[in-house]
Amino acid sequence: EAQVTQNPRYLITVTGKKLTVTCSQNMNHEYMSWYRQDPGLGLRQIYYSMNVEVTDKGDVPEGYKVSRKEKRNFPLILESPSPNQTSLYFCASSPLDRVGEKLFFGSGTQLSVL
Amino acid sequence: AQTVTQSQPEMSVQEAETVTLSCTYDTSESDYYLFWYKQPPSRQMILVIRQEAYKQQNATENRFSVNFQKAAKSFSLKISDSQLGDAAMYFCAYRTNNNAGNMLTFGGGTRLMVKP
Repeated sequence: EAQVTQNPRYLITVTGKKLTVTCSQNMNHEYMSWYRQDPGLGLRQIYYSMNVEVTDKGDVPEGYKVSRKEKRNFPLILESPSPNQTSLYFCASSPLDRVGEKLFFGSGTQLSVL
Repeated sequence: AQTVTQSQPEMSVQEAETVTLSCTYDTSESDYYLFWYKQPPSRQMILVIRQEAYKQQNATENRFSVNFQKAAKSFSLKISDSQLGDAAMYFCAYRTNNNAGNMLTFGGGTRLMVKP
């Protein structure tokens, strides 16, 4: 089954404790992206990648890191989480020429930073 | 940078009635795509409908249709014969055809409630 697997689904942590949210896709997609969803602000892009070792900042990259060492994986790293990073996070993947119309989303990670 | 605005944070509709969700966007490009996504309480993101900017004909998918006004930069979603299962957050999104940039921009969302 074609899917984007994102873990964990829920995460509660404390300020400053490094964490990683994993994202893996089994569709050989070139494009992968991370979004955060906040009430009234919709989904805002954090980072995206158009292929292995190619990553770029989205609209809200501060406080986040990503890596794309393999085509299937695109982890999101919060080196020193802060309460303003409390949010719902989505990973998504797509063929590079079908971004939007063939965009597969993970099931989301609800992160709370205390 | 492109921006997408959904001016209605919440809308409600009676079951079987018709509702229209608004979306406006700002861009200097002529070639792009527009989308409407549905997010039910399960958090799953579901593509509802897409529109290519170069097509003048409005897209339709069963009970869902759009009113695409390119000059006005408006892209509204009409849901006909509303059903209880249509209750969800709806997001409008813009995709540039410029592969060099941030490709997909979402609006702030509209929460649709359907009354039985």
